Amino acid sequence: ILNVEQSPQSLHVQEGDSTNFTCSFPSSNFYALHWYRWETAKSPEALFVMTLNGDEKKKGRISATLNTKEGYSYLYIKGSQPEDSATYLCASWGAGNNRKLIWGLGTSLAVNP
Amino acid sequence: GAGVSQTPSNKVTEKGKYVELRCDPISGHTALYWYRQSLGQGPEFLIYFQGTGAADDSGLPNDRFFAVRPEGSVSTLKIQRTERGDSAVYLCASSPTGGETQYFGPGTRLLVL
Repeated sequence: ILNVEQSPQSLHVQEGDSTNFTCSFPSSNFYALHWYRWETAKSPEALFVMTLNGDEKKKGRISATLNTKEGYSYLYIKGSQPEDSATYLCASWGAGNNRKLIWGLGTSLAVNP
Repeated sequence: GAGVSQTPSNKVTEKGKYVELRCDPISGHTALYWYRQSLGQGPEFLIYFQGTGAADDSGLPNDRFFAVRPEGSVSTLKIQRTERGDSAVYLCASSPTGGETQYFGPGTRLLVL
């Protein structure tokens, strides 16, 4: 793939549900994969920057995994809370991108109380 | 310390007018990025500065858009002869040298009537 793709586009879950979404990115010349969380009316907030194949990072109830050989990353949220409602964006930085991130369109998560 | 700031937070203008949007990055960050986000879309890359120079301006949609960063700190995005399609949230981000985590400002919401 040439672009960064995220799925699903949107997701509605109940409070307490665990959920996950996918980011697919170009695997050739890969350097780093970024995950950001963007709440309405706020600035995007960095969650993780991942570089190594097989890497797994965790921040509270949110974790992410990375497969650089096949070009995908999963973001997991355990026990979703209403305050997790936001758009989750991933972005890829590859060699030759001139230090420019290529962004996905995001997954919009709504957690119902 | 202080984060990335952007002014104004909101701007309403009429079609055909000229607007300037300002970004103050985190002190010491050499890399500065401008993005545009339209409704339902992810961030769209516009331009990236490394120091005072534009390292990549391939995202500027046309010659009505121009950005400067004369002293390697504050940057101004300038839009001439605004069109209704320019209405969007304009985001600025900075990072220490480029490619690492980007720190976003709150954005400027531009509405062209």
